[in-house]
Amino acid sequence: AQSVTQLDSQVPVFEEAPVELRCNYSSSVSVYLFWYVQYPNQGLQLLLKYLSGSTLVKGINGFEAEFNKSQTSFHLRKPSVHISDTAEYFCAVSAAPSGNTPLVFGKGTRLSVIA
Amino acid sequence: DTEVTQTPKHLVMGMTNKKSLKCEQHMGHRAMYWYKQKAKKPPELMFVYSYEKLSINESVPSRFSPECPNSSLLNLHLHALQPEDSALYLCASSRQGDNEKLFFGSGTQLSVL
Repeated sequence: AQSVTQLDSQVPVFEEAPVELRCNYSSSVSVYLFWYVQYPNQGLQLLLKYLSGSTLVKGINGFEAEFNKSQTSFHLRKPSVHISDTAEYFCAVSAAPSGNTPLVFGKGTRLSVIA
Repeated sequence: DTEVTQTPKHLVMGMTNKKSLKCEQHMGHRAMYWYKQKAKKPPELMFVYSYEKLSINESVPSRFSPECPNSSLLNLHLHALQPEDSALYLCASSRQGDNEKLFFGSGTQLSVL
């Protein structure tokens, strides 16, 4: 089975500052890793995903994440945040290949961008 | 068309009412999912349909009854709900149960009075 830990429940950051949202996972098999963003009263939108290959993954809205197998981490970064990035961010893991095994979500990190 | 469409967007119901949530996709996906999300919590998987057959039921109470009438439609029938069932109900679909291409709808915000 897989599990995900998002170490920070809330991250406040000033506009145009860099941000890192932390995610660690646990699994006995190879994994796929995902970051989703959720704006208020909306569904989940995929930001980026790691399936294989390059460990640095670039996603939408200027976000990127790096898969670190030795540290079992998949931290999300953005060099300069905007007010519009205020949202809930979920890290998720699944076995690779996923083969009908459901995604396992972390508890989420609330990113608040301050003007 | 890369959308999962959920209706209604908002629903208020009493504990004795019967209502249904609807989800539709036209991407040819053969796996469809219902998730429940409480405020400030991650989504929790409720049901998975694969090729129109129920493949996963995460011990959901029988007051929630899923139905997959065809490969494009997924319904969630609600009856005798409790106030604690108030939540955002999210539908999702994927090609064949592969998480690599999982698409979520915008959800139905349900309030049970």
